[in-house]
Amino acid sequence: DTGVSQDPRHKITKRGQNVTFRCDPISEHNRLYWYRQTLGQGPEFLTYFQNEAQLEKSRLLSDRFSAERPKGSFSTLEIQRTEQGDSAMYLCASRRQGANTGELFFGEGSRLTVL
Amino acid sequence: AQSVTQLDSQVPVFEEAPVELRCNYSSSVSVYLFWYVQYPNQGLQLLLKYLSGSTLVKGINGFEAEFNKSQTSFHLRKPSVHISDTAEYFCAVSISNQGGKLIFGQGTELSVKP
Repeated sequence: DTGVSQDPRHKITKRGQNVTFRCDPISEHNRLYWYRQTLGQGPEFLTYFQNEAQLEKSRLLSDRFSAERPKGSFSTLEIQRTEQGDSAMYLCASRRQGANTGELFFGEGSRLTVL
Repeated sequence: AQSVTQLDSQVPVFEEAPVELRCNYSSSVSVYLFWYVQYPNQGLQLLLKYLSGSTLVKGINGFEAEFNKSQTSFHLRKPSVHISDTAEYFCAVSISNQGGKLIFGQGTELSVKP
């Protein structure tokens, strides 16, 4: 079990640039979740996938944000035309559908700083 | 809508003292309850969870929590804390018909002083 892997761990960009984060879930997990965490706050749900289907998107996910999971394995989260308010930790988590444990397994996050 | 309230944003405590981190939730349906810990610049690690059964659940690192349905609470306790317990702690709920996503509280920063 290699755990949930996120890349890059840190990203510094200038306002207006596009950034992309990648998440590799635990291999047998078919559900994948993205969260955003700002300083001093709890994680906020953004979106989740079951296999390659994106089943729910939060209102937090503006038009500048897009997430994909094309083959039902890894996922990408792209932010276009970044704004300073996008600065946050972006967390990915996964779980197996139907698993009665209920818990999500989190990666170590990708920290975005927009200058 | 479901929500989670962590009643204390910061809890300072001396080493070897007991600690309680408070969590209340709001939901009209059955929930699963969780406590996660987050160390600086790291992801979230599960401490313990309540799914069903005994209302007192034990987790890692000597932590335990008690589910109280009538008070809609799930407070986290440890009888004797260590310096290494200094971290951010998050309470979360999962609703069974909502895709398994977790809704988190705002967190409690536990600071253990020597």
